[in-house]
Amino acid sequence: GAVVSQHPSRVICKSGTSVKIECRSLDFQATTMFWYRQFPKKSLMLMATSNEGSKATYEQGVEKDKFLINHASLTLSTLTVTSAHPEDSSFYICGLADHLSTDTQYFGPGTRLTVL
Amino acid sequence: KQEVTQIPAALSVPEGENLVLNCSFTDSAIYNLQWFRQDPGKGLTSLLLIQSSQREQTSGRLNASLDKSSGRSTLYIAASQPGDSATYLCAVSFGNEKLTFGTGTRLTIIP
Repeated sequence: GAVVSQHPSRVICKSGTSVKIECRSLDFQATTMFWYRQFPKKSLMLMATSNEGSKATYEQGVEKDKFLINHASLTLSTLTVTSAHPEDSSFYICGLADHLSTDTQYFGPGTRLTVL
Repeated sequence: KQEVTQIPAALSVPEGENLVLNCSFTDSAIYNLQWFRQDPGKGLTSLLLIQSSQREQTSGRLNASLDKSSGRSTLYIAASQPGDSATYLCAVSFGNEKLTFGTGTRLTIIP
């Protein structure tokens, strides 16, 4: 299956700063990537769909100006949490779909964000 | 709005036992259903994917079934091992690649 990496794996920042999370597809060209957020002991919630070369599509209730997504190439999507606050502390996971074969989705290892 | 529920939320079983995890969804018009495994603080590993036209899929000690009409799927794990301890998530898709995840079952295999 596809190999997906995320960087950083863990980040701690002060309230008010911005944090960029990278999601890379190492062996697969993904026109679409997905960003999920997972709070402790909760399931994953889709935040937005990242489309290569165009604007991301955000789910209801997700602020597009706060969670900036850039999908500049077929192998890289970035999520920037702007002016982070403690309530943004969460586990952020990116995923991509291998729709050319089995529709299986593959996920990165996740990024743990802690905002102090 | 599609809701995906997993019962139980947590399960502990002795090593070697067979077990079943349950997943139910409210909208039966799914495209496919996928089972994932998540280790603490880690990402997701895809275990099995069942297309809407299929009834089950098998991989090693894992068997997933799908009853679309009743909105249910089960994940059967045979001869459980301590390494099977993890959180198991089911997720449904409606063909637009977006996944709706279940609430998860935290499985602990007792050595």
